[in-house]
Amino acid sequence: AQKVTQAQTEISVVEKEDVTLDCVYETRDTTYYLFWYKQPPSGELVFLIRRNSFDEQNEISGRYSWNFQKSTSSFNFTITASQVVDSAVYFCALNAGNNRKLIWGLGTSLAVNP
Amino acid sequence: DAGITQSPRHKVTETGTPVTLRCHQTENHRYMYWYRQDPGHGLRLIHYSYGVKDTDKGEVSDGYSVYRSKTEDFLLTLESATSSQTSVYFCAISESWNQPQHFGDGTRLSIL
Repeated sequence: AQKVTQAQTEISVVEKEDVTLDCVYETRDTTYYLFWYKQPPSGELVFLIRRNSFDEQNEISGRYSWNFQKSTSSFNFTITASQVVDSAVYFCALNAGNNRKLIWGLGTSLAVNP
Repeated sequence: DAGITQSPRHKVTETGTPVTLRCHQTENHRYMYWYRQDPGHGLRLIHYSYGVKDTDKGEVSDGYSVYRSKTEDFLLTLESATSSQTSVYFCAISESWNQPQHFGDGTRLSIL
């Protein structure tokens, strides 16, 4: 079975704090792809990153970084020095094997307070 | 931004009426998807298309039908709308099944 678990339903931090959003996935396939999306209060869904199962290098993009660990089946997302504009719901998703469908986590709602 | 247009953006209708939502893309992407988003359920796939006239069901397809007559357009129809279909509907496109999906701005549908 394929599954994505985002155990943190809601997180609240104060601006400039670092915050990590957890994503744990399940799949028996050796080839798979992991994604993160952001949904700000305005409602649109924005693609952030795609990672394939053969590339375990961590990714950094500005204040955003992603830690992919196959040993723990996790693909965690860290925001460094959070800002109010980072307030959003963040979704993790999995595409495994030749499945044409994304398996979505339920999302983590992040509130960054001034 | 990916060229995806959903129409209408908002609609209020009555139970039992047919409703059609349209998704139009200018990216020439092969894959198109319809999702609904409800509190506590995240994103749920309704139907998707992997080519003209090629479609398949998602996890919540009951009560919905789709049609893709050409690459650019993917229609979602609620044959006889029910209050349980009140939701925000998103269209998405992708070049291939393992590539990122890019989303339209959503349609807020209320069925009274």
